Amino acid sequence: EVQLVQSGAEVKKPGESLRISCKGSGYSFTSYWISWVRQMPGKGLEWMGRIDPSDSYTNYSPSFQGHVTISADKSISTAYLQWSSLKASDTAMYYCARLEGVTPGLNYFDYWGQGTLVTVSS
Amino acid sequence: SYVLTQPPSVSVAPGKTARITCGGNNIGSKSVHWYQQKPGQAPVLVVYDDSDRPSGIPERFSGSNSGNTATLTISRVEAGDEADYYCQVWDSSSDHSSYVFGTGTKVTVL
Repeated sequence: EVQLVQSGAEVKKPGESLRISCKGSGYSFTSYWISWVRQMPGKGLEWMGRIDPSDSYTNYSPSFQGHVTISADKSISTAYLQWSSLKASDTAMYYCARLEGVTPGLNYFDYWGQGTLVTVSS
Repeated sequence: SYVLTQPPSVSVAPGKTARITCGGNNIGSKSVHWYQQKPGQAPVLVVYDDSDRPSGIPERFSGSNSGNTATLTISRVEAGDEADYYCQVWDSSSDHSSYVFGTGTKVTVL
């Protein structure tokens, strides 16, 4: 059974750093890209970026480029989303999702993690 | 950047048909995927490549895509179909290619 299991909820202060994780199981972790998707409170889904776990090649949405870092450790089948300096506006639910297919115009998010709630407040 | 427009809400009686539209410039030339998100849960893929269903998704869910509009159709609506629905495409029209989600539609079962 394919599973993406994310790390637990976090409460941080502005300016603090944070790394959340997404562990894949039940499939070959290096055969599928992993994406991160943000959902702010009461709002829709926003694609943040993706990583190829086989070589850690990344693409970012222009809206998130420079604000977050996506990485992966294929030895433990885990992808990460990282902030160096959090802002209150980073408060949101963050989902990891597996990308099915290798052609960007045709692939889609077939499995999702359960989400990690990040709250940034002073 | 590419914009996908959905109606904010759709209301439907049990047993009837719900149609959720997703508007975008020449969206018919793209592959459209649809996700269902129930309150407090992660999204779930319900239709991919315009009209295909993942295993485990009821045949009541179907999709179509032509011109400037893609449509997700839910037939014989049940109370359990109440959720937010999002369309999604890949946009490579600008310098920065991105996965784009629609604005989302809340389906209410009356």
